[in-house]
Amino acid sequence: NAGVTQTPKFQVLKTGQSMTLQCAQDMNHNSMYWYRQDPGMGLRLIYYSASEGTTDKGEVPNGYNVSRLNKREFSLRLESAAPSQTSVYFCASNEQFFGPGTRLTVL
Amino acid sequence: GNSVTQMEGPVTLSEEAFLTINCTYTATGYPSLFWYVQYPGEGLQLLLKATKADDKGSNKGFEATYRKETTSFHLEKGSVQVSDSAVYFCAPSVQGAQKLVFGQGTRLTINP
Repeated sequence: NAGVTQTPKFQVLKTGQSMTLQCAQDMNHNSMYWYRQDPGMGLRLIYYSASEGTTDKGEVPNGYNVSRLNKREFSLRLESAAPSQTSVYFCASNEQFFGPGTRLTVL
Repeated sequence: GNSVTQMEGPVTLSEEAFLTINCTYTATGYPSLFWYVQYPGEGLQLLLKATKADDKGSNKGFEATYRKETTSFHLEKGSVQVSDSAVYFCAPSVQGAQKLVFGQGTRLTINP
């Protein structure tokens, strides 16, 4: 089992560019999550999906969209990146299993 | 809503010292309680958890007891090692919503 995988590991964007962060899990979990981690602020929930076909906003959803493509995959999209979205992004499944993270810099 | 307050870091100890990292929470209902550890450059790993009052979670020499009367879930280890240097996060779950609320994290450094 690969657990939770995320791509890419690193990304640099210019303000206004768009991109999609990919996440997949092979543990057959129903729930999946996207968090961002900023220095001194812990992790904040962006969006989550309690089951395939459902998504809900978390604490900081503005500027993001998500797609629960199937039970395995949960993607996070930035339509028009802003410097305030510079962060490390973590995907998780079943509350307890985290991916390695994507470090995103927006210039 | 749920919230969590963790002991502010950074915390620096010598090897074999006793560790306590305080965590208190506010929550409606009966949340499950989790401690996560993040080693440098890595994602979060579940360290231990407790799902009901008076439960004790334990793993790798770390322990935490779910204290409903004091709404606390303090992390303890009797003898820390250099390899325990990491950031530790306390997180109660939101009952019925399958969501975690994270504290700001406590950076722990163990010196040999």
